[in-house]
Amino acid sequence: EIVLTQSPATLSLSPGERATLSCRASQSVSNYLAWYQQKPGQAPRLLIYDASNRATGIPARFSGSGSGTDLTLTISSLESEDFAVYYCQQRYNWPLTFGGGTKVEIK
Amino acid sequence: EVQLLESGGGLVQPGGSLRLSCVASGFTFSSYAMNWVRQTPGKGLEWVSAISGGGGTTYYADYVNGRFTISRDNSQNMLYLQMNSLRAEDTAVYYCATGHRATPGTYFDYWGQGILVTVSS
Repeated sequence: EIVLTQSPATLSLSPGERATLSCRASQSVSNYLAWYQQKPGQAPRLLIYDASNRATGIPARFSGSGSGTDLTLTISSLESEDFAVYYCQQRYNWPLTFGGGTKVEIK
Repeated sequence: EVQLLESGGGLVQPGGSLRLSCVASGFTFSSYAMNWVRQTPGKGLEWVSAISGGGGTTYYADYVNGRFTISRDNSQNMLYLQMNSLRAEDTAVYYCATGHRATPGTYFDYWGQGILVTVSS
C-alpha cells in the first residue's frame, strides 16, 4: 500500500498569502495524484488530478506540481473561501489511498 | 448538475448488517465507475470499494473484503453497498463518489453528502 504523508499538518496564513502544501509518497506515484478540498460539514471536492490538471470550475489560483514521490499543491493568493482541509490521493496502484490532510487556517 | 444522494445509514450492532444506497442524477451513470469512500476522525479518508461502469468488475479494500459487497443497477441509476459482519471500526461517514471514467481506479470527481454509519451495542 502506498502511504501518502502530507505536510505541514496545519498551515496558518493570512488572506492574500501564498500556500504551499506537500504530499510525499512512500514510493513513486508518477503523476497519478489528485488534490481535494474539504470544508466543515461538506464532502471533499476534486481540485487537481494527474498532479497538475485543474478539475472543472476550479480557479486558476490553485495549481499542482511535482511527480514521483514529492508533489505540491500551491494556492497563489488565499481567498477567504480557501481556508479548509486539503487531501492528496494516489491512483498509481490499489488500494487507492489518501494522505492525512493539511488544514489551512486563518492566521 | 451531478447529484448523488446516499441513504440507508444508521445505528447497527456489532455483527449486524446494513445496506447503503446511492441514487445518481445529472450524468450518464453507466459511463462511470462508482466508489464508496468513508471518513472517520481518527483514520481520515479511506477508499472502501469500486465498481466499473458496467458493473462487471469490483475492487475492495482489504479490511472489507469478504464482508462488504458493492453493486449497481444502471437501469435505476443506483449504487449499493451491502455491509455484513459490521465492526466498531466500520463506524464512519460513507460517501458515494463517481470515478473519473468507466474503469475503476482513478479519482473521485463528484461526491454525495455522506451518510453516517454507527456500529455500537
